[in-house]
Amino acid sequence: DAKTTQPPSMDCAEGRAANLPCNHSTISGNEYVYWYRQIHSQGPQYIIHGLKNNETNEMASLIITEDRKSSTLILPHATLRDTAVYYCIVYNGNKLVFGAGTILRVKS
Amino acid sequence: GAVVSQHPSRVICKSGTSVKIECRSLDFQATTMFWYRQFPKQSLMLMATSNEGSKATYEQGVEKDKFLINHASLTLSTLTVTSAHPEDSSFYICSARGPYLGEGYSNQPQHFGDGTRLSIL
Repeated sequence: DAKTTQPPSMDCAEGRAANLPCNHSTISGNEYVYWYRQIHSQGPQYIIHGLKNNETNEMASLIITEDRKSSTLILPHATLRDTAVYYCIVYNGNKLVFGAGTILRVKS
Repeated sequence: GAVVSQHPSRVICKSGTSVKIECRSLDFQATTMFWYRQFPKQSLMLMATSNEGSKATYEQGVEKDKFLINHASLTLSTLTVTSAHPEDSSFYICSARGPYLGEGYSNQPQHFGDGTRLSIL
């Protein structure tokens, strides 16, 4: 499975958009980009995933660069409840491998 | 949709006892479930893959006789920690491969339970 690189932490003001970057330069053609988040003491929550097209759902948007070597998760209007660890994972259908993720702190 | 329920949420027990944790997919059938373990301030580590009707596949370093996995139905997998000791204290989390969306397993999100915090005294 391809490795991902994420910043260890980010801060965001409440009500503003949170843009979380992820590098996955070794991604293969059949691997999807997945985003999960984990709020303290809970199981990970699925957010969104995509292959090469940009994706949007009720939680977030996923922007994947044309060369697929990086992506950005966008939370359009961050709230305090969005404070969590966000994991970007490249997945080929075999195993989900969790890295350290990005700690997002939303501040009022 | 795609809800995974895990029970119990917290267990405290004495050293030497066995503890069973249940993982259920509530609104979909899951032929494959996964068990993870998470120690404080660390990320999730996959322990084993559980396939309905067959033996689980364990990751390297995970003792299969210590962590018994049963996946007897399409909606239930159980993890039994046998003869638990303090070093087995951890946060155990299950996931289930969700409904098929087409184009292979890589397009099939895993959905997670809320975890079981196991404390062995």
